Amino acid sequence: EAGVAQSPRYKIIEKRQSVAFWCNPISGHATLYWYQQILGQGPKLLIQFQNNGVVDDSQLPKDRFSAERLKGVDSTLKIQPAKLEDSAVYLCASSLGVGLDYEQFFGPGTRLTVL
Amino acid sequence: GQQLNQSPQSMFIQEGEDVSMNCTSSSIFNTWLWYKQDPGEGPVLLIALYKAGELTSNGRLTAQFGITRKDSFLNISASIPSDVGIYFCAGGSNYKLTFGKGTLLTVNP
Repeated sequence: EAGVAQSPRYKIIEKRQSVAFWCNPISGHATLYWYQQILGQGPKLLIQFQNNGVVDDSQLPKDRFSAERLKGVDSTLKIQPAKLEDSAVYLCASSLGVGLDYEQFFGPGTRLTVL
Repeated sequence: GQQLNQSPQSMFIQEGEDVSMNCTSSSIFNTWLWYKQDPGEGPVLLIALYKAGELTSNGRLTAQFGITRKDSFLNISASIPSDVGIYFCAGGSNYKLTFGKGTLLTVNP
């Protein structure tokens, strides 16, 4: 079974530029998550989708971050404009359902460096 | 927001030794999970705990959900070189996971 796919794996941009990350979850997984993992810390949830609807985006900095999952499958996370403190690994995860008894499977992440 | 205190931050041990790490919180969680993350990869679930007091094993790994629901520990017995990595605890409530800062484990062969 294919895992969660993410691209690109690495991205280097200058501050104030925009960037987008793509995630393809495991087939059949209704729930999709985007996490931000700053170096030396654990992942922090940014947004959670159930199919194409948002379940939780309370920790998403909405002035610069946006995410969509238009057809309930793939998802895109965008940052515009980027700041230095956005340098982090952005992890996508998916699960069969929205409850915590459904295991979340993580992709390899996209490492973003903002100069 | 909710915060987890995970300790120790790092451990350097000899192959064959046992390891113990723990997480504490000022908040109550309904679920405790333990993950391992290798360099360049996403976290992988090791053990999931769903009831206060629950003690669960997965091979050489044993984890417990604290009675107060505010803490959990993970033990690794007879460590091997491939145990190297970063271990994260995560507390779950309201469909959301809060992660600790991780314990970096180094195993000397």
